[in-house]
Parts: sequence; C-alpha cells; structure tokens
Amino acid sequence: GAVVSQHPSWVICKSGTSVKIECRSLDFQATTMFWYRQFPKQSLMLMATSNEGSKATYEQGVEKDKFLINHASLTLSTLTVTSAHPEDSSFYICSVIILGNEQFFGPGTRLTVL
Amino acid sequence: GEDVEQSLFLSVREGDSSVINCTYTDSSSTYLYWYKQEPGAGLQLLTYIFSNMDMKQDQRLTVLLNKKDKHLSLRIADTQTGDSAIYFCAESLNTGTASKLTFGTGTRLQVTL
Repeated sequence: GAVVSQHPSWVICKSGTSVKIECRSLDFQATTMFWYRQFPKQSLMLMATSNEGSKATYEQGVEKDKFLINHASLTLSTLTVTSAHPEDSSFYICSVIILGNEQFFGPGTRLTVL
Repeated sequence: GEDVEQSLFLSVREGDSSVINCTYTDSSSTYLYWYKQEPGAGLQLLTYIFSNMDMKQDQRLTVLLNKKDKHLSLRIADTQTGDSAIYFCAESLNTGTASKLTFGTGTRLQVTL
C-alpha cells in the first residue's frame, strides 16, 4: 500500500503560536488528501479535504482561517494551526486516496498546546 | 444523516474468535471499511466490502454485511495479543469524486492470555 508520512510526529507549542504539520505521499501522486483530528479515546473527525492546486474544502464547524491548508504539490499537503490554544491539542491525521476508494493514513501528529 | 456506532470495548482470550459489530444509518453507503489503530499510531486499513456483497474473507478476517439491517461485523479468527488495538468501521459515499469517510466510535479490543 501507499506510504504516507507526517512531520512532525509530536509537537509542543506555546499558546498563541502557529504550528505547521506536513503530510507527504511517498509513493504516489495524490490530488486529494484529507485532514482529520482525533481527541483522546474518540473517533476521527474529518476537518477538510485538501485539493491540489485549489482551495481546501472545510467541514461544517471547522474554521478555515484557523486551520490553513495548502496543497501545493501532488505529494505534499500542509496544515497550519494558527494562534494555537490548548483546546486545539489533539491528534491530527492525514490520509491519501490513491486507488479507487482506498484511503491510506499517515501515522499522525500529536499536538500539545501549553 | 450519517451516524456510525460501535460498542466501546471487547475482551477476548487469545486463540478465541473476536466479533466486532458496527451499525450505520446511511443506506447510500457504497463501501464499508474496517481500520485498526494501535496506540499513538495512524490507521491501518484491514479490509473493506462493497455494499452489494454479503461477505468477504481475508485470511483470519471475515466481514459480514447485512444491508437490510445496516449492520457490519468483523470477525477475527484465532485472536492474538498483537490484535489488541482500536478497531474503527467507516462508511463512504461515492459521489464521483474523492469519497469522504464517516468513522464509527471505535471498539477497543483487549486480548488476554
């Protein structure tokens, strides 16, 4: 299956700072990537769909100005959490659709905002 | 609307079979998936089934789909300690573009010796 990497795997930041998380598709080109967040002991919630060369599509209730998504190439999408606050602390996971309806997930990035 | 539910916890003895259940509400689902998540890690796709199928078997894994009752199950034969993880079912709608997944609440499987 496709290999999807995320960087960093773990980040701690101060409240009010911005954090950028990268998602890379290592084996395949991906026109579409998804960003999810997962709170402890909860399920994954889709935040946005990242489309290469165009604006991301955000799910209802997700602030697009707070969670900036850039999909500048077919192998890289970035999620920037701007002016992070403790309530943004979560596990952020990206996924890539390569073939048909199979989604391959990255290993996740754990964000802790102090 | 989309709502996918699972029981929260399942404990089985090593060597026994595990059955994890999932119910969904959207009858338009085209694919249904089972993912495994180990602590602190991303999701690993285990298997998936197309909505016009009733059953799919892949080595130790058997997926059963009852479309009438909107019920999906994952059976793991000869459960091993390495199977301990959280298992998520997910449904997708094929809108012709990239499919969005709606995940269940997750079932934590604990395998005891």
